[in-house]
Amino acid sequence: NAGVTQTPKFRVLKTGQSMTLLCAQDMNHEYMYWYRQDPGMGLRLIHYSVGEGTTAKGEVPDGYNVSRLKKQNFLLGLESAAPSQTSVYFCASSSDRGSNSPLHFGNGTRLTVT
Amino acid sequence: AQSVTQLDSHVSVSEGTPVLLRCNYSSSYSPSLFWYVQHPNKGLQLLLKYTSAATLVKGINGFEAEFKKSETSFHLTKPSAHMSDAAEYFCVVSEPYGSSNTGKLIFGQGTTLQVKP
Repeated sequence: NAGVTQTPKFRVLKTGQSMTLLCAQDMNHEYMYWYRQDPGMGLRLIHYSVGEGTTAKGEVPDGYNVSRLKKQNFLLGLESAAPSQTSVYFCASSSDRGSNSPLHFGNGTRLTVT
Repeated sequence: AQSVTQLDSHVSVSEGTPVLLRCNYSSSYSPSLFWYVQHPNKGLQLLLKYTSAATLVKGINGFEAEFKKSETSFHLTKPSAHMSDAAEYFCVVSEPYGSSNTGKLIFGQGTTLQVKP
């Protein structure tokens, strides 16, 4: 039972480079989320999806794009990385909106932008 | 707008002593409140949730939290700390679900719990 799997676990980028973070869940959840975690700031929602083919902006969407082409996958893209995007990124999924059902989190991707 | 404030960024206790992690919230509506725990290099896991039923909520691993509307608080407690409780804890409030939002979660800044032998 894999749950939520994030790849890669670590990545170092130079300013201006692009990359895609992959999130896969095997629980048939409708809702998926991307958060970033920074010291002293808790988790902040970047983008989320309420079903296959849908995406929406969260609190801090600038500089990121997402796609949900398949129900089980939620991709987070950085088109032109900036040092301010150095963070730990978490993907999560839930069967219903977060107020009704628990979020299941992946183990995170630690991204450093130099 | 909803917000949540965790009053301590770091709490240190000795093994076997009580744990108290403090959380205050602000909400225009009857909130749903949660505590999540994050062990080192792991994702977050739900500890417990309050959704307007009993004000004293029991969670996993012996933790519980009490919803106090008059104090706008939702403090997390455990009678006796164990070494395995060392982790970061997040208090979370959900937005109300309605036409303009989808009940998204708003996380507090986190409290690191250290447990000394």
